[in-house]
Amino acid sequence: AQKITQTQPGMFVQEKEAVTLDCTYDTSDQSYGLFWYKQPSSGEMIFLIYQGSYDEQNATEGRYSLNFQKARKSANLVISASQLGDSAMYFCAMRGDQAGTALIFGKGTTLSVSS
Amino acid sequence: GAVVSQHPSWVICKSGTSVKIECRSLDFQATTMFWYRQFPKQSLMLMATSNEGSKATYEQGVEKDKFLINHASLTLSTLTVTSAHPEDSSFYICSAAARDLHRSPLHFGNGTRLTVT
Repeated sequence: AQKITQTQPGMFVQEKEAVTLDCTYDTSDQSYGLFWYKQPSSGEMIFLIYQGSYDEQNATEGRYSLNFQKARKSANLVISASQLGDSAMYFCAMRGDQAGTALIFGKGTTLSVSS
Repeated sequence: GAVVSQHPSWVICKSGTSVKIECRSLDFQATTMFWYRQFPKQSLMLMATSNEGSKATYEQGVEKDKFLINHASLTLSTLTVTSAHPEDSSFYICSAAARDLHRSPLHFGNGTRLTVT
């Protein structure tokens, strides 16, 4: 069975600062994908970044980077230069690397960015 | 990019009635669609996996007779909440995976807020 753990219910950061959102996972699969999604108060799920279990380089997408430490089974999201619009719920998720596999989500972290 | 459309965005219904929610993949064929449920300030919980042309697979604890799922085509899956009760009030969100994109992110609809009075 797969499990995602996000231990930070809420995080607070000031504009322009960097913030790290923690995520650890557990799986018996050899091949899997790790994802981060942002959910603003409107409810839509916005895909941010993806890391494959066999990817040697940490994924980056603009201000988002994923600090992937496979041996520690962690996939932390780093947001650089926070903006007010980054205030939202952030979910770490995982899926097995097979067609038709669902995403399993962590409990989420609410990020609040202040000016 | 891949787009998933979900309708309606919100619905209010009376207790005992049924509500149908549609999920469409607009620019790709989705052999598999997933239905999630989310209570306020909680995570997304997988309800069921919908496969085109076959019966849906429900997660443990989800009543298949209450939450009817139909995936009649490669672009449309529907979730019908039958005999809705106030405890069924929640945010329902669908997502879809395309045939060749199993390593790609799932694409989500914008969700449906259901309120049962």
